[in-house]
Amino acid sequence: NAGVMQNPRHLVRRRGQEARLRCSPMKGHSHVYWYRQLPEEGLKFMVYLQKENIIDESGMPKERFSAEFPKEGPSILRIQQVVRGDSAAYFCASSSQGALNEQFFGPGTRLTVL
Amino acid sequence: KQEVTQIPAALSVPEGENLVLNCSFTDSAIYNLQWFRQDPGKGLTSLLLIQSSQREQTSGRLNASLDKSSGRSTLYIAASQPGDSATYLCAVRPRMGGGSEKLVFGKGTKLTVNP
Repeated sequence: NAGVMQNPRHLVRRRGQEARLRCSPMKGHSHVYWYRQLPEEGLKFMVYLQKENIIDESGMPKERFSAEFPKEGPSILRIQQVVRGDSAAYFCASSSQGALNEQFFGPGTRLTVL
Repeated sequence: KQEVTQIPAALSVPEGENLVLNCSFTDSAIYNLQWFRQDPGKGLTSLLLIQSSQREQTSGRLNASLDKSSGRSTLYIAASQPGDSATYLCAVRPRMGGGSEKLVFGKGTKLTVNP
């Protein structure tokens, strides 16, 4: 009964490169959430997806960031042309259907932009 | 706009003490509230989930209460141990339209339990 899986756990990119972060939800979960934790800050919501649909992207920066959750495979958070300010821990969570259901978090991907 | 505040930001206690961590939120329209534990460089471990209709939840040495009308929750840790040292995060799920189910987090309380 594997939990939420994220890879890679650590990712180093140079400014201007692309970063791809992957999240596999818990078995049976069809809702995925991405959060970002900047140094010395709390976790901030970025985007909420269900299979093949973006439900709420109100926390996503307007440029360079995109997310998808295809019918098959993991959810992907993609950051184009990374800048130093993108350095953070990115957490994925999943839940089964319904607002009352608990969100379970993955171990996170720590992105460092040189 | 929902905001979550946790006080204190840091707390250091000797082993064996009972302690209380505080969380407040500005809008009482919530589905539920969760307490998490985060160890340095690690992910989040869910400790307790309280639905808006509930007043408290207990798990082992942990007890969380919820007073939705006043916008407050407390996490009580009994007989603290050095292994309890971590950052404790409080998060609420706002009741809002549009189908969003996001969590709004506080910045956390960093707890150190000294042997």
